[in-house]
Amino acid sequence: GAVVSQHPSRVICKSGTSVKIECRSLDFQATTMFWYRQFPKQSLMLMATSNEGSKATYEQGVEKDKFLINHASLTLSTLTVTSAHPEDSSFYICSASPFSGGTETQYFGPGTRLLVL
Amino acid sequence: AQTVTQSQPEMSVQEAETVTLSCTYDTSESDYYLFWYKQPPSRQMILVIRQEAYKQQNATENRFSVNFQKAAKSFSLKISDSQLGDAAMYFCASVDLGDDKIIFGKGTRLHILP
Repeated sequence: GAVVSQHPSRVICKSGTSVKIECRSLDFQATTMFWYRQFPKQSLMLMATSNEGSKATYEQGVEKDKFLINHASLTLSTLTVTSAHPEDSSFYICSASPFSGGTETQYFGPGTRLLVL
Repeated sequence: AQTVTQSQPEMSVQEAETVTLSCTYDTSESDYYLFWYKQPPSRQMILVIRQEAYKQQNATENRFSVNFQKAAKSFSLKISDSQLGDAAMYFCASVDLGDDKIIFGKGTRLHILP
């Protein structure tokens, strides 16, 4: 149980285009979802937290207009990287929790590798 | 503010031997959770072990066990009978109860020598 999927697993796009990454909880309802970014050989950095039906809470330094997060249902959250640039290339990981808040119970997706040319 | 420190960027261990990964943390809270996550080359984050701070007993999960020293704010991971599949990046992490985010250490890359 507690499986989280991400789609796509990897994406290559041209600079200036927008990319959408989906995060789905397959066998539980995800009250809270988290989006992380991981640079090569570094740790995970929290970008934002979203609760179903509410606006996402962004971490300091993360541009909310650049990284649009939508958590429209209890099983799906999307991260859209708008007008992507090469510096947005990274590994993006989502996690989901069945609990409100839910920081102590997170199930991680397999990640999405984004390469912006 | 919470901090998590992993002082060993890389470690190596011979297959079938035992290895201990270090982690120290800092928090002003009395209720918190501590975790060890494994990130293999696939980059999927896998929960290895979880410890509630109020529990004095060290958590164990098969070949994985922790040495939780609350007063010293230390949370080391011991891997017994190391296997090739244990090769991965290991992240120590903490969450203060009621807090809104998990804090990860910088990770320790573990190599298993055949």
